[in-house]
Amino acid sequence: SSELTQDPAVSVALGQTVRITCQGDSLRSYYASWYQQKPGQAPVLVIYGKNNRPSGIPDRFSGSSSGNTASLTITGAQAEDEADYYCNSRDSSGSRFGGGTKLTVL
Amino acid sequence: EVQLVESGGGLVQPGGSLRLSCAASGFTFSSYWMSWVRQAPGKGLEWVANIKQDGSEKYYVDSVKGRFTISRDNAKNSLYLQMNSLRAEDTAVYYCARVVINVWGSYFDYWGQGTLVTVSS
Repeated sequence: SSELTQDPAVSVALGQTVRITCQGDSLRSYYASWYQQKPGQAPVLVIYGKNNRPSGIPDRFSGSSSGNTASLTITGAQAEDEADYYCNSRDSSGSRFGGGTKLTVL
Repeated sequence: EVQLVESGGGLVQPGGSLRLSCAASGFTFSSYWMSWVRQAPGKGLEWVANIKQDGSEKYYVDSVKGRFTISRDNAKNSLYLQMNSLRAEDTAVYYCARVVINVWGSYFDYWGQGTLVTVSS
C-alpha cells in the first residue's frame, strides 16, 4: 500500500514517554519526516532523516525506523507537546502524509 | 530568516479558477525544490505538488492532475499554484513549503502560514 497509517489518537501522562508510529511500504525505502501542528498554526518540522532535529526542537524528540514502520518518540512529554503529529514520506509519485495522530498530555 | 508568505486565497464557485502565490525570502530560492500542501477544514495534511529548482520537473497528487499547475519565477522569488476546475473538495488551507529532496527521503523544513481557499456556490 502507498498509504501511511497512524493511530488517530494517543495519550501520555505528563513527564512520561510516548511513541507515535507510522506504517507504510514507502518507509522501507525512505526515512520519514515528522511534523507537529498546534491548532490554528502551520506545521513545524520536528524530525527528519535517520534521526535529525532542526534547530530549536528539544532533544526530547527523537525518531527511529524499522522495516515499514517509523516512530517518533517524546521522552518526558511536556504540556506544550499536546498537538497533532503527522508523518511524511517521499514515494514514487511525490510525497505522502499520514492521517495524523492527536497527542493528549494528561 | 526564511519567510514564506502565501496570498491569493478566497471564495470561488465550483468550476472556477484561482491562482495562489507564495513570496519567498531569506534564502536562495532558486536552490530549492518547493511544494504546496493543503489541509481541508478539520482534516489532515495532504501533499499537493512539488516543483524542481529550475521548474523542469513537477509532480502532483492524483486528485489535482490536469486541473492544478505548479510554477515558479526564480527572478521574483515566487511560487505559484494555478487552480482550475475547482471542486468543493478542494476547499482547504493551502501552505507553501520549502522541501529538501535527496536519496534517503524528503522533508518540508519551512512553511508559510497558509491561505484559505473556499469553493462554494
